Amino acid sequence: QVQLRESGPGLVKPSQTLSLTCSVSGGSIGSGDHYWSWIRQRPGKGLEFIGYIYYTGSTYYNASLDGRLRISIDTSKSQFSLELRSMTAADTAVYYCARGVAILAGRYYFDFWGQGSLVTVSS
Amino acid sequence: EVVLTQSPGTLSLSPGERATLSCRASQSITNFYVAWYQQKPGQAPRLLMYGASNRATGIPDRFRGSGSGTDFTLTITRLAPEDFAVYYCQQYGSSLLTFGQGTRLE
Repeated sequence: QVQLRESGPGLVKPSQTLSLTCSVSGGSIGSGDHYWSWIRQRPGKGLEFIGYIYYTGSTYYNASLDGRLRISIDTSKSQFSLELRSMTAADTAVYYCARGVAILAGRYYFDFWGQGSLVTVSS
Repeated sequence: EVVLTQSPGTLSLSPGERATLSCRASQSITNFYVAWYQQKPGQAPRLLMYGASNRATGIPDRFRGSGSGTDFTLTITRLAPEDFAVYYCQQYGSSLLTFGQGTRLE
């Protein structure tokens, strides 16, 4: 069974950078069949796609976050990571990592999710 | 960006009843590329359906998906107590994946 687990700080100060890591077990992160993604959910709100990384290192970012966002992958550690710069209160959310099942290039749905990591932006 | 609008916002039903949840897209979604997720409080979303009408592994057959183009539906034929949750649709027909705002089933 594939499992994903987010790790990182629960509290970030305004203007600082958030760094989260997703550790994947039970399956290969180096498979071309999947997109490794980040999704967030603001308190009491719906789901927002942040971006993905493919095992080759190619990425796609939600334009609303582009310029602040970087997603990277370390296949040797079965991990992928998110860095979000210049954090504000509006970035307070539960951040999920998820595995996307590739249908076509960049077209996928999410079959496995991490449990989520609550990140609060506050001084 | 493909905007997904789910209705109703909240659906109040009882166990044993039939639930019909709607997901309408702002533009046609190619190849039935719609998925549905269930989310319970404090939990991550769980995949229910993909390709509009295909049940994910382990999903009971009381969950049924249908639709095409801009209109998609998730039907739960006989509600079980564990089905009361928030449901989200997601489209993956365009590069920017988007989700609906959710329907709360209470």
